[in-house]
Amino acid sequence: SQQGEEDPQALSIQEGENATMNCSYKTSINNLQWYRQNSGRGLVHLILIRSNEREKHSGRLRVTLDTSKKSSSLLITASRAADTASYFCATPPIGSNYKLTFGKGTLLTVNP
Amino acid sequence: DTAVSQTPKYLVTQMGNDKSIKCEQNLGHDTMYWYKQDSKKFLKIMFSYNNKELIINETVPNRFSPKSPDKAHLNLHINSLELGDSAVYFCASSPGTAGNQPQHFGDGTRLSIL
Repeated sequence: SQQGEEDPQALSIQEGENATMNCSYKTSINNLQWYRQNSGRGLVHLILIRSNEREKHSGRLRVTLDTSKKSSSLLITASRAADTASYFCATPPIGSNYKLTFGKGTLLTVNP
Repeated sequence: DTAVSQTPKYLVTQMGNDKSIKCEQNLGHDTMYWYKQDSKKFLKIMFSYNNKELIINETVPNRFSPKSPDKAHLNLHINSLELGDSAVYFCASSPGTAGNQPQHFGDGTRLSIL
């Protein structure tokens, strides 16, 4: 069954703006991962946040995790046209640690 | 150097045929996966192998049979292809089975059933 649900399904912004995507999940987790998928390509791992972490940064990416609300957000600051892609959250439910369950993704379009 | 490579990239075939997709990883990882991504981009795990042993076998028709000849290779054979099998199939690998390890994906095999 589907674990993560991203919101919004699609997001269109101008270059230089910030983009925020949200993910909600259903069961308890040990960590949550974000992946990017460019058109016609495979998924690329962006960042992993553990269940005991509230916020994590990597370059222009900022991820937050609220385990009480079972939600996470991915913020991309100062977006570039090259950030245009689909973004997925993925969680390995507790008890099935290697079995990542993905959401349907948010399609981000960054207009030049 | 390609880390996870799949062949072929595109596969167009008739209903009822049998086809295979191959995957190889040069990352030295122990664990490999097959995922199916449908037209709505929903990505679902199908199988996983750790050191050539099957560890995940989701509810997948038995027309799909994975094979791992060694830990660097994971192939997928599909018998009696059906229209609903049209999708993008992704191979992935990770160092091991710990859930805190990122997975590395190939670029997918686009399967179209006519």
